[in-house]
Amino acid sequence: EAGVTQFPSHSVIEKGQTVTLRCDPISGHDNLYWYRRVMGKEIKFLLHFVKESKQDESGMPNNRFLAERTGGTYSTLKVQPAELEDSGVYFCASSQVRGGITGELFFGEGSRLTVL
Amino acid sequence: GNSVTQMEGPVTLSEEAFLTINCTYTATGYPSLFWYVQYPGEGLQLLLKATKADDKGSNKGFEATYRKETTSFHLEKGSVQVSDSAVYFCALSGVNFGNEKLTFGTGTRLTIIP
Repeated sequence: EAGVTQFPSHSVIEKGQTVTLRCDPISGHDNLYWYRRVMGKEIKFLLHFVKESKQDESGMPNNRFLAERTGGTYSTLKVQPAELEDSGVYFCASSQVRGGITGELFFGEGSRLTVL
Repeated sequence: GNSVTQMEGPVTLSEEAFLTINCTYTATGYPSLFWYVQYPGEGLQLLLKATKADDKGSNKGFEATYRKETTSFHLEKGSVQVSDSAVYFCALSGVNFGNEKLTFGTGTRLTIIP
């Protein structure tokens, strides 16, 4: 079974440009999460999809960030325009709800974004 | 709000040494507690978890006990190996069913030298 895959693994852009990160969750996982780790600090929650619906986007830093999940499958996270402080590693994770019991999150390898 | 405080790194140990990485938390209610590990070039993966007070999670020789009285979940291993070199993250989740929204610590980089 394929794991969570993220693309690109590393992106280097200039301030003001646009970047789109993609995440393919494990097939059948309804829950999809985006997290971000900035400059060696803690990993912070950005948002949570259940299928194609945004369940919780309380962690999105500002309106320069736009996340979508087309048809409840893969998800994209667009940063437009990018700022220096957006640099970091963006992690995607997915999970399957199992009778309301807290389950395991499966993470991708992360997409490293460097804004110059 | 919820928060996790874990031992600052980096930590460097010799092979077969005893490992402790401290983790304390602040949370409302009764969260579940986790240790995730990120090996070089890989994504985060669940190492162990505990869902209620006094539970002990264990995996690959690592252990951590959910201590409600001290709000701690320290990670321990009796004899580390070079292959344990990785970044370790302590985390907690809330009690919303079906929502594994995690709050992470800053991570501790562990290097084991032969």
